[in-house]
Order: sequence, then structure tokens, then C-alpha cells
Amino acid sequence: DVKVTQSSRYLVKRTGEKVFLECVQDMDHENMFWYRQDPGLGLRLIYFSYDVKMKEKGDIPEGYSVSREKKERFSLILESASTNQTSMYLCASSLLGAPNTEAFFGQGTRLTVV
Amino acid sequence: AQSVTQLDSQVPVFEEAPVELRCNYSSSVSVYLFWYVQYPNQGLQLLLKYLSGSTLVKGINGFEAEFNKSQTSFHLRKPSVHISDTAEYFCAVSGAAAGNKLTFGGGTRVLVKP
Repeated sequence: DVKVTQSSRYLVKRTGEKVFLECVQDMDHENMFWYRQDPGLGLRLIYFSYDVKMKEKGDIPEGYSVSREKKERFSLILESASTNQTSMYLCASSLLGAPNTEAFFGQGTRLTVV
Repeated sequence: AQSVTQLDSQVPVFEEAPVELRCNYSSSVSVYLFWYVQYPNQGLQLLLKYLSGSTLVKGINGFEAEFNKSQTSFHLRKPSVHISDTAEYFCAVSGAAAGNKLTFGGGTRVLVKP
């Protein structure tokens, strides 16, 4: 059974904290993505990576960074958390060079910044 | 650039009634189209996808969608819904011009009433 695993289902952090969201996939996929999900806005792409140590900005990268040191792991970093980053964060993975293939999603991390 | 519009944010429907969820997309090149479903407190899973060929696509759980190139639409339908179909549904588009990036619509929340 293929799997994308996000390290936390729920997180509560304080404003100004540095926050790490971790994602691991076991499908040997080259592509990995971080989205945030907000009501009425659907999923918006923050960053994606198509290879180890490679990253590209998505539609809303401000306030975020990412790290991909190993193929199976993709981390999202909030350098200084703010209340407007309270959201659901979803990680996904897919095969490289195949825009017609399915993306597999993790269960999501609901982050609350207080 | 590609974009997706889901015309209904919420759709209430009675059990065993039909449902149609509307999706329109814009893209300057050929596209691949997807419908994903998100059950409460879960990640997204693929319902169906259109890659090429027949414009009527059948997916899991009795859902189907029709690709209409002239109207740039990809509406999702089910002839008879169950309570278990209560979920949020997302239309998404990807294409060669955008690499493997999926662009999502705002989502449609379906509430099936007994």
C-alpha cells in the first residue's frame, strides 16, 4: 500500500517560532509537493521538488522554505510562524516527467499559530 | 498559465438523488484533468482522471466525468449518491507546460442528506 506520511496531524505553535513539517513517501517518487488548504481557496502550491536538493517556488512561497536532503523526505519550514499561516498543510508525491499521473497525498497537518 | 474554477462551493443533495459538480478550466495547451475527493479528516484521493481518448471517464465509487473541450469543462456526476459520499471534491488540471504541477479549484463540499 503506497504511502505518504506526514509527521503530525495537529500542531499548535506560537507566533515567531520556527516550525518544521515533515513528509516521507515510500513510492520512490521524484516529485514532492507542499500545498496549503484553506476554505474556499482549494489547494495552493507552496513549493515543489523534482529531485534531491532541488526546489522550485509554487504560487505562495512567501514565509516558507523547504528542504530535500533525501529522495523520500521533503520538509516544509516556516521561518517565523505567523497567525496567517494557520492552515491545513498537505504533502504529495508523484512520478517525474509525467503530468498525467496521479499525485498521492498525505493525511494533512492542521497547524494553528497562536 | 492554467486555472480551475469550481462553480459551486456547496451542494446539498438527498440520498439516492443524482449530483453534478461543475468544473471549468483554462489552459493554453493540452491538459490532463483530475477529480480528487477528500473525506473528513483525511488527505485527498483520486476519483478519476482524463488523459486522452474517450471524453466520458469512469472512476471509483460510481462517479463519472465528461470532458468537453469546446466548453473547457470537466463536470463530475453520480446518478445516485450515498451518505458516504459526503466529502469535499476538488477538480485539478496539469499539463506539459506546467510540468507536473497540479492546479486545483476551490473545492465543492457535498452534503448528502438522508
